[in-house]
Amino acid sequence: GAVVSQHPSWVICKSGTSVKIECRSLDFQATTMFWYRQFPKQSLMLMATSNEGSKATYEQGVEKDKFLINHASLTLSTLTVTSAHPEDSSFYICSALRLLTGLRGTGELFFGEGSRLTVL
Amino acid sequence: SQQGEEDPQALSIQEGENATMNCSYKTSINNLQWYRQNSGRGLVHLILIRSNEREKHSGRLRVTLDTSKKSSSLLITASRAADTASYFCATPNSGGYQKVTFGTGTKLQVIP
Repeated sequence: GAVVSQHPSWVICKSGTSVKIECRSLDFQATTMFWYRQFPKQSLMLMATSNEGSKATYEQGVEKDKFLINHASLTLSTLTVTSAHPEDSSFYICSALRLLTGLRGTGELFFGEGSRLTVL
Repeated sequence: SQQGEEDPQALSIQEGENATMNCSYKTSINNLQWYRQNSGRGLVHLILIRSNEREKHSGRLRVTLDTSKKSSSLLITASRAADTASYFCATPNSGGYQKVTFGTGTKLQVIP
């Protein structure tokens, strides 16, 4: 099956530093990837849609200057948490969309294992 | 805002029993997906059911979809301890067919 690799799995950083998380689709090309944030015991909240070769689309309330997204290739999207603060500590998950044939406009999402960010 | 709402929020059963989880959604969809998440891990896609399908099977999983009631159910038969996880339904966002909104999830505990 399709595999999405997310790296790093966990990271601890000091307040004020920036952290980059990578999301790679290993065996399919993904023009669209998604970034989610998950707080403890809660569901995933969509942060932004990452589109290869164009600017990401952010959900309402998500600071685009805080969470920089780059989708420079068909297999890689990165999320950079800039000037991280303790309130940014969370579990970040990416997903890559593999389009389904015969069902126009939709696809199957494959998720990374997630990255746990702890900001001290 | 969340579209899918799972019910129950938590479920505890003995190994070997069946587990049924329900999901309700609000807007029209062209497909509905179920995912599993082990604690602290990413999501694993379980099954996708299209709006023109009423039932779908995959191993010990059985998913039904009732578009008239805007609801879906996930049945896990002969549950195992390894099935312990949170289960989410996901529906495409009305604002973009490629987006998926997750429900609040059902936390399943299978007791050995």
